[in-house]
Amino acid sequence: EPEVTQTPSHQVTQMGQEVILRCVPISNHLYFYWYRQILGQKVEFLVSFYNNEISEKSEIFDDQFSVERPDGSNFTLKIRSTKLEDSAMYFCASTPGDTQYFGPGTRLTVL
Amino acid sequence: AQSVTQLGSHVSVSEGALVLLRCNYSSSVPPYLFWYVQYPNQGLQLLLKYTSAATLVKGINGFEAEFKKSETSFHLTKPSAHMRDAAEYFCAVSDRGSTLGRLYFGRGTQLTVWP
Repeated sequence: EPEVTQTPSHQVTQMGQEVILRCVPISNHLYFYWYRQILGQKVEFLVSFYNNEISEKSEIFDDQFSVERPDGSNFTLKIRSTKLEDSAMYFCASTPGDTQYFGPGTRLTVL
Repeated sequence: AQSVTQLGSHVSVSEGALVLLRCNYSSSVPPYLFWYVQYPNQGLQLLLKYTSAATLVKGINGFEAEFKKSETSFHLTKPSAHMRDAAEYFCAVSDRGSTLGRLYFGRGTQLTVWP
């Protein structure tokens, strides 16, 4: 059964560094999402992406964040200058239209 | 704005006992509602969804949920718990009355199953 995959599973970085989190959505899906979960808190929506552009973003998704679909398979989330409060589990999701399918997540730790 | 409340961050049951995980939502439009399960070190897996068809929805692994508009609830149940059901369960509502919209999640309920 096709799955959403994410790499790396864990990422440790220093405050102020740039990180890129990678996702491979399910191949015939057209809508993509990033969510995050800070330890002990709710899963929060960051951004949705369709037809090579952002369709919606939350108030969390400020200028430090960007998303890109650099080729036909990858979907990336870049954080330009990481802060301590960016430490969280980041989930990618994709959907063909009715159900969002989630990847296993990338745990980002900012020191 | 949509929101989801899950009553009880931790629920413990004995193996074979009834599982009841509570979810209440608020939505300004007809909601689409979901239950996801997260096993340790894994992603969110869809258990079941309500998209305005039958109010009693059956999902995987013997779980079901009933949409009650008057109570704005979508509680998850399973008649008989198994050890393998131990996981974290998340209720979510979709934005804008569409399955394409952002999902709003509850805080999650950690289910423990005792032998």
